[in-house]
Amino acid sequence: DVKVTQSSRYLVKRTGEKVFLECVQDMDHENMFWYRQDPGLGLRLIYFSYDVKMKEKGDIPEGYSVSREKKERFSLILESASTNQTSMYLCASSFLAIVNSRGGADTYSNQPQHFGDGTRLSIL
Amino acid sequence: SQQGEEDPQALSIQEGENATMNCSYKTSINNLQWYRQNSGRGLVHLILIRSNEREKHSGRLRVTLDTSKKSSSLLITASRAADTASYFCATDAKNSGYSTLTFGKGTMLLVSP
Repeated sequence: DVKVTQSSRYLVKRTGEKVFLECVQDMDHENMFWYRQDPGLGLRLIYFSYDVKMKEKGDIPEGYSVSREKKERFSLILESASTNQTSMYLCASSFLAIVNSRGGADTYSNQPQHFGDGTRLSIL
Repeated sequence: SQQGEEDPQALSIQEGENATMNCSYKTSINNLQWYRQNSGRGLVHLILIRSNEREKHSGRLRVTLDTSKKSSSLLITASRAADTASYFCATDAKNSGYSTLTFGKGTMLLVSP
């Protein structure tokens, strides 16, 4: 079974602090994702990574950065925490499947994502 | 922009009844996926249906896909109290290069004993 482990279930930090959320997966997945989930807003993608040292902005990257130094680990960093970053943070991972490869241009299909149990972060 | 939108937002039924949730989306897709989330936990993948498939079953779950209407439905038959959770659809848009799943806001299902 795929296991995605997030370092903390609950975390309380103060405004202005630098906050690190860690995520580790054990299935050699290429893709890793960070989402935040807020009532009424659903899941919103912050950043994702499709390979070591690669990162792509999602829908709401402002105020966040990420690091992927090893394939199994994807870290989310709140550079200077603010109260509006209080939320549930979810990490996920998945395989990357190529569905079409023509003339050097690949098209990818998103495979099922495996989620961690989330980190409920409160910024005071 | 939101790709998948679930309907209804909330559903309350009795044990043994069937539960149907719908998902509408806007663009062409490679596949559509359904997930479940128990309160305070991460999402769990339930079923993936490809754009060239019309129906798929997994245990008490039945998923249909109508690409002409850009909609999907998730049917849970003979529901149990343990099915109480939020259910999300996620679409894999047909793009060149990399893309990501887009999740809807979910349907909250309450199954009463």
